[in-house]
Amino acid sequence: NAGVTQTPKFRILKIGQSMTLQCAQDMNHNYMYWYRQDPGMGLKLIYYSVGAGITDKGEVPNGYNVSRSTTEDFPLRLELAAPSQTSVYFCASSYSKQEGANTGELFFGEGSRLTVL
Amino acid sequence: AQSVTQLGSHVSVSEGALVLLRCNYSSSVPPYLFWYVQYPNQGLQLLLKYTTGATLVKGINGFEAEFKKSETSFHLTKPSAHMSDAAEYFCAVSRGDSSYKLIFGSGTRLLVRP
Repeated sequence: NAGVTQTPKFRILKIGQSMTLQCAQDMNHNYMYWYRQDPGMGLKLIYYSVGAGITDKGEVPNGYNVSRSTTEDFPLRLELAAPSQTSVYFCASSYSKQEGANTGELFFGEGSRLTVL
Repeated sequence: AQSVTQLGSHVSVSEGALVLLRCNYSSSVPPYLFWYVQYPNQGLQLLLKYTTGATLVKGINGFEAEFKKSETSFHLTKPSAHMSDAAEYFCAVSRGDSSYKLIFGSGTRLLVRP
């Protein structure tokens, strides 16, 4: 059982380049999230999705875009990369609130470390 | 708005000593509270959570936390530290409704001395 899979694990970008971080989950979770983690800052929510075709901004969405065409996949797009986007990015998923379900627990991928030079 | 404050970015204890990691939250609605652990070069994994009911919750690896509404706290404890407990610990809060957007604290790195 793979859980949440993120690719790539590491990437170096030049300023102004674009790229997509991939995220896939095989747990049939309807909620998916993208966080970034910076030293001493904890995790900040970039975007989240409550189901296929539905996305919404989190705390720090500027410079990023997302899409959710399927339940399984939630890619994060960086346009015109900037040094401020150097970070570790985590994708996560969770169940919605359902009777008897394990509510509120996020399942995280192993992270994607991005450096913008 | 919700927020989480973790006191102490680094905590150092001796192996076998009590572990106490502090977390205070702010929430305008009844919160759901979580502790997550992150080992080096890995994603976060859930240690324990409080949603409703019993205020003392037990998690994996011998950790527990107590929800104290009057103190707006959710401190994490373990009676006896083990070397394998060395990691970064994050407290998080959510509104407890169907959105499940978690707000994370800045994290506390636990160091365990032999």
